[in-house]
Amino acid sequence: AQTVTQSQPEMSVQEAETVTLSCTYDTSESDYYLFWYKQPPSRQMILVIRQEAYKQQNATENRFSVNFQKAAKSFSLKISDSQLGDAAMYFCVLDMRFGAGTRLTVKP
Amino acid sequence: GAGVSQSPSNKVTEKGKDVELRCDPISGHTALYWYRQSLGQGLEFLIYFQGNSAPDKSGLPSDRFSAERTGGSVSTLTIQRTQQEDSAVYLCASSLVGTGGRTEAFFGQGTRLTVV
Repeated sequence: AQTVTQSQPEMSVQEAETVTLSCTYDTSESDYYLFWYKQPPSRQMILVIRQEAYKQQNATENRFSVNFQKAAKSFSLKISDSQLGDAAMYFCVLDMRFGAGTRLTVKP
Repeated sequence: GAGVSQSPSNKVTEKGKDVELRCDPISGHTALYWYRQSLGQGLEFLIYFQGNSAPDKSGLPSDRFSAERTGGSVSTLTIQRTQQEDSAVYLCASSLVGTGGRTEAFFGQGTRLTVV
């Protein structure tokens, strides 16, 4: 069974700075997809970024990038130039199983 | 519709009553998921539909919970004899392809269930 672990219940970052959210997972599959979703206070779940396990290159979407370490089963999310609108719960997802989430606060 | 629609958006029910929560997925999406989210917590997987069948219902917490999907479209989550611990937001998501969770899932706004 797939499991996803997010060990940081809360994180805080100063506006315009960089923050990294951690995620580890476990799976017996060799081909799989990992996602980061964000859930702002509006409760609407939004896809942030997607990584295909067979691709060695780390995915990047504007200010968001991942550090995917397949052997270590690690999938961290880096947010650069943090903005107030980035404040949200961030979930690491494998095969539609969600981690416990990390609540990100952005300080002005 | 343009997105995943859930109804009702809010439901208050008395302990012991049955409730039905509805999800209208995006047209053409064969995969549909139900989750439960308690306040400030993560998403607890309940059930996954591929078409009208449910290959994974491992997350249903008890036999008071059931779900069905008809016509490969609308899904209903039913909770019988509701208990106070059932109070939560119930989220529905749909995606084009379900197996392996390869494609982006789109979420509804959820139904906030309060059992009093």
